[in-house]
Amino acid sequence: DVKVTQSSRYLVKRTGEKVFLECVQDMDHENMFWYRQDPGLGLRLIYFSYDVKMKEKGDIPEGYSVSREKKERFSLILESASTNQTSMYLCASSLLARTALDQPQHFGDGTRLSIL
Amino acid sequence: AQTVTQSQPEMSVQEAETVTLSCTYDTSESDYYLFWYKQPPSRQMILVIRQEAYKQQNATENRFSVNFQKAAKSFSLKISDSQLGDAAMYFCAYRRLNSGNTPLVFGKGTRLSVIA
Repeated sequence: DVKVTQSSRYLVKRTGEKVFLECVQDMDHENMFWYRQDPGLGLRLIYFSYDVKMKEKGDIPEGYSVSREKKERFSLILESASTNQTSMYLCASSLLARTALDQPQHFGDGTRLSIL
Repeated sequence: AQTVTQSQPEMSVQEAETVTLSCTYDTSESDYYLFWYKQPPSRQMILVIRQEAYKQQNATENRFSVNFQKAAKSFSLKISDSQLGDAAMYFCAYRRLNSGNTPLVFGKGTRLSVIA
């Protein structure tokens, strides 16, 4: 079974802090994704990566950056946290191969981040 | 850009009854994949069912089935013999077929309650 592990289930930080959310997957997936989930808005894509050191902006990248130094790890960084970044953050991974397009994304358990 | 619309923010069903969750999408592509994900209170996103657009036969997985109407761009989920454990957020998602690194596009979700 694919396992996607997010380092924290709950996190509380202060405005202006630099925040790191870590995600690790154990199935050698090329693709990794960061979403935020807000009530009434569903899942919105922040960034994704299809290879080490590669990254692509999603729908709402402003205020975020990412790092993919190793294939299994994808970090989301809030450079200077703000209260409007209080949300649930979900990490996901999937295979890259075109023959695997029917394969689902596998999700972590989410990090509920509160910015005070 | 592709969009996915779930017009029912909340639904409820009596235990053992059948419920249908609606999903429509907008795309100019002819080939793509569609998914339904379930997110229970534990927050883990779980794949429920998937459908390839080039397949006319509706996908089924035990008590879960879809009604895929390609011309109408509709992809509804039917849950038969509803159980208390079916209570969750349900997300409809779309993926283009052009490359392996294409992220999913999610709807805003439908919260399903199951009444004992």
